[in-house]
Amino acid sequence: DIQMTQSPSSLSASVGDRVTITCRASQTISTYLNWYQQKPGKAPNLLIYAASTLQSGVPSRFSGSGSGTDFTLTFTSLQPEDFATYYCQQTYGTPYTFGQGTTLEIK
Amino acid sequence: QGQVVESGGGVVQPGRSLRLSCAASGFTFISYGMHWVRQAPGKGLEWVATIWYDGSNKDYADSVKGRFTISRDDSKNTLYLQMNSLRAEDTAVYYCARDRVGGTSDYGVDVWGQGTTVTVSS
Repeated sequence: DIQMTQSPSSLSASVGDRVTITCRASQTISTYLNWYQQKPGKAPNLLIYAASTLQSGVPSRFSGSGSGTDFTLTFTSLQPEDFATYYCQQTYGTPYTFGQGTTLEIK
Repeated sequence: QGQVVESGGGVVQPGRSLRLSCAASGFTFISYGMHWVRQAPGKGLEWVATIWYDGSNKDYADSVKGRFTISRDDSKNTLYLQMNSLRAEDTAVYYCARDRVGGTSDYGVDVWGQGTTVTVSS
């Protein structure tokens, strides 16, 4: 099985900050990497698919990059509504494993 | 865009069975692969099972293989998860989700339900 490891597990930041979250796969997954945002008590929401393509309706302050085993999710300027938990997921092959999550908190 | 609505969760004793349903609307159900994803209390997301758009292939997490069965009834636009031999560690919110692109799971899932809660406890 492909293991997905996110870092950091949690992060404190301020509105307006530029922030980067990292996701590493235990083996190469090309660009079969997706990012989700989840707010408490809500279902996840797809932000980015294929490592770098923004899902329709997602603000352009979100961006993704990477290929192979190392990927990043970047927020160019954090907004109050961005404080949530973020998960990466590989869809290179089953089981479609998720990272353990990164919780973004307000400083 | 589409919508999916889960049902069937509840409290069940260890070793018993439960069947979850996911009613789909607003999109051509037969064109999309579907998934179950769960989240234990205070924990992260765990992919549980996938069924291809045509039902020809099903995959399961090792943690549920042999106990859970994913299926679909295209005539009813409904996805199911039959859960047998339930354990305490199966306690979670179970989400139904749709592939973003019909015919492939490569590009994530973009339609999620609100989730249904399963609690396994004596």
